[in-house]
Amino acid sequence: ETGVTQSPTHLIKTRGQQVTLRCSSQSGHNTVSWYQQALGQGPQFIFQYYREEENGRGNFPPRFSGLQFPNYSSELNVNALELDDSALYLCASSYGMAEELAFEQYFGPGTRLTVT
Amino acid sequence: ILNVEQSPQSLHVQEGDSTNFTCSFPSSNFYALHWYRWETAKSPEALFVMTLNGDEKKKGRISATLNTKEGYSYLYIKGSQPEDSATYLCAFRPWDYKLSFGAGTTVTVRA
Repeated sequence: ETGVTQSPTHLIKTRGQQVTLRCSSQSGHNTVSWYQQALGQGPQFIFQYYREEENGRGNFPPRFSGLQFPNYSSELNVNALELDDSALYLCASSYGMAEELAFEQYFGPGTRLTVT
Repeated sequence: ILNVEQSPQSLHVQEGDSTNFTCSFPSSNFYALHWYRWETAKSPEALFVMTLNGDEKKKGRISATLNTKEGYSYLYIKGSQPEDSATYLCAFRPWDYKLSFGAGTTVTVRA
């Protein structure tokens, strides 16, 4: 196992609601990235946090937001949920700045979000 | 959104046979190419990070090659075993470091 944990494992929400997903990084890792994997697709990059600051974002609207805490755990928040937000959400932790190294990311098992 | 394609989408292999599959990615702005193995109900597991044209990496019976000029990478599995059954993802990392994943190749090894 990677040492990266995510909670909850599964979640069902109603359209228009808000959701918070959590990720606990591998010890010593200061960078976390979040990905959305819709059915039949590869993971899509949402954003990345380095030392509590967002330092890169994919093509996702502002209702997708995040936080990284001093202990490097992080949250993904999604407001005004839409049916298309139903997906597997993965977080991945790593050490260092993304552009400094071709580093490895260590993924959590994901949170399956269903929006009805 | 960068176009990263993997083919085939799925394949079935007889135990003991070897197989390979492809990841195609943009040939410009290349920084690194990642391969992951993703077993059902588990976390994606990093296999290789490849950065140089002509790179070859090996881990046990699994190996990978990289051609950055033409934008492709091959993953090879030699002597497939049932435990090799998984989805294999490649991810292209350009200089802005945002990973773009392919949709994966799902390998099923039949005993």
